Amino acid sequence: ETGVTQSPTHLIKTRGQQVTLRCSSQSGHNTVSWYQQALGQGPQFIFQYYREEENGRGNFPPRFSGLQFPNYSSELNVNALELDDSALYLCASSSSSGGASEQYFGPGTRLTVT
Amino acid sequence: QKEVEQNSGPLSVPEGAIASLNCTYSDRVSQSFFWYRQYSGKSPELIMSIYSNGDKEDGRFTAQLNKASQYVSLLIRDSQPSDSATYLCAVNPEWGYNKLIFGAGTRLAVHP
Repeated sequence: ETGVTQSPTHLIKTRGQQVTLRCSSQSGHNTVSWYQQALGQGPQFIFQYYREEENGRGNFPPRFSGLQFPNYSSELNVNALELDDSALYLCASSSSSGGASEQYFGPGTRLTVT
Repeated sequence: QKEVEQNSGPLSVPEGAIASLNCTYSDRVSQSFFWYRQYSGKSPELIMSIYSNGDKEDGRFTAQLNKASQYVSLLIRDSQPSDSATYLCAVNPEWGYNKLIFGAGTRLAVHP
């Protein structure tokens, strides 16, 4: 069984640029959630995708957007990067969008904005 | 008020002892609860999920849930130095919606 994978591992961008992060869900999982984890903090929910549609969003501005593809993989796009966007971005997959479903995290993408 | 609160630690225990990690949450209607372990520089790894009041055991780990007190805990028996990590408590407040709210984590240090 293949686990959750993310790419790239690390990324350095300049303020104002745009970035795309990628995630492949675990085999058999149809739901992908994205989280942002700042240093010393717990992950914060950005949004979730289920059946290629956004299925809930946290307190993040519209410049954070995403996609889910028919094979359940997903992208996170961030426009107009700000210094505060520097963080570990985590993708988690689950077997359903229901509240009891366990979420399994990928290794994360470390984004640094200079 | 933070939605999920954990003592940041560090919680220092000797090898072989029981480590007790605690978490409180503010949303009374929360339905599902999770403990994750995160090693420095790595992503969170799911340890336990718990949905009903009481205890749930898995190997050296026991999760305890008390919905009336809005309290969930994780006990680690026979603690090992390899258990040294940050432990994240996560709460899902809604059954029909899979959004996890995390605490900031408790750092556990197990010393030989």
